[in-house]
Amino acid sequence: DAMVIQNPRYQVTQFGKPVTLSCSQTLNHNVMYWYQQKSSQAPKLLFHYYDKDFNNEADTPDNFQSRRPNTSFCFLDIRSPGLGDAAMYLCATSRGGVSRASYEQYFGPGTRLTVT
Amino acid sequence: AQSVTQLDSQVPVFEEAPVELRCNYSSSVSVYLFWYVQYPNQGLQLLLKYLSGSTLVKGINGFEAEFNKSQTSFHLRKPSVHISDTAEYFCAVTLGSSYKLIFGSGTRLLVRP
Repeated sequence: DAMVIQNPRYQVTQFGKPVTLSCSQTLNHNVMYWYQQKSSQAPKLLFHYYDKDFNNEADTPDNFQSRRPNTSFCFLDIRSPGLGDAAMYLCATSRGGVSRASYEQYFGPGTRLTVT
Repeated sequence: AQSVTQLDSQVPVFEEAPVELRCNYSSSVSVYLFWYVQYPNQGLQLLLKYLSGSTLVKGINGFEAEFNKSQTSFHLRKPSVHISDTAEYFCAVTLGSSYKLIFGSGTRLLVRP
């Protein structure tokens, strides 16, 4: 089945120690998104890639970066994690094009990040 | 500013009872409307979406929703819930030609035996 895969499912890192979360997709979608979801809250969009074009949300901290080396893979780098960065990180994909607003987003299972 | 409001943070209901989860939006432009479900420690899964046409939309797992333009609402309903429907439900919209999903704050559906 076509899907969105996130590894690892659970990640523990130390305060200030860089960490990378990964996402891959077999849907061949143009758009890949990264969301941060804290407990009992809605997902918050951090940034997205439309093909190779990177689009950062205005309120995403500089501590968060992303890479998309090819269509299938996208990475979330947290350069210096703080305790406030502990959250579920969700990757999603969608088709692009002029009707992109009507296309659903397909979510991965998420990576739960703990910062000690 | 455009927004999505889910009035109920939690809805407890007994198994086999009907349920309605409410969603209202505010927007001055055309919208596409979505309901997503999130089970514990999982990603979000699309239940249904409204793009155009018939205002009653049927989705997976027996859920349906009705788009009401005059009331700017998109309430989710199920005639008979199961224990397995216990989850967080998010209403979301995209506006005009934007890709960006605007989420409501979520409603936790708690189904009791």
